[in-house]
Amino acid sequence: SQKIEQNSEALNIQEGKTATLTCNYTNYSPAYLQWYRQDPGRGPVFLLLIRENEKEKRKERLKVTFDTTLKQSLFHITASQPADSATYLCALGPARQLTFGSGTQLTVLP
Amino acid sequence: GAVVSQHPSWVICKSGTSVKIECRSLDFQATTMFWYRQFPKQSLMLMATSNEGSKATYEQGVEKDKFLINHASLTLSTLTVTSAHPEDSSFYICSARDLTGGYNEQFFGPGTRLTVL
Repeated sequence: SQKIEQNSEALNIQEGKTATLTCNYTNYSPAYLQWYRQDPGRGPVFLLLIRENEKEKRKERLKVTFDTTLKQSLFHITASQPADSATYLCALGPARQLTFGSGTQLTVLP
Repeated sequence: GAVVSQHPSWVICKSGTSVKIECRSLDFQATTMFWYRQFPKQSLMLMATSNEGSKATYEQGVEKDKFLINHASLTLSTLTVTSAHPEDSSFYICSARDLTGGYNEQFFGPGTRLTVL
């Protein structure tokens, strides 16, 4: 069966550093991989989508890589800020049925 | 753009009653909406896919007679939890797809916290 693993349930980093979150998957060949942010008591907010034929995607301080050989995606937040503290979810397509990882709770310490 | 709303944001009800949750796409038409359930510190679990004008598709293990889904228009889907029990207490989130931009990301509502006493 499909399995999605996100590294460590919680990650603490110092403000200004780069946060790197990992999403690994098995038994799956997704056409898309997406990253969402979820704040407590709120629905997820879409951040980035990367297709299987793309190696890297950037948006402001965010960068996502997608290695279909390793079956892994890395999500980077550069120059992290306390406001970036949230749970980050990776999700695999197809779009008609996303499967979510359990998330990594990121805390950026001032 | 691509805003999804849910109503109510939270609801407390007695065991045995039914609760209806509304999901609306405010600035786009959504032929497909999705209903998820999320327990504390767990990921979103897809319950069903709601298709406008047709029956919903339920995931394995989700009782369709328990969780009634109606998608009567391109901007509204409803989830009714019938005869709710304490084990149904959870965070229910809907999402909708907006294909006009050429992407397939889902836009999520803010969620509904259901507490069954």
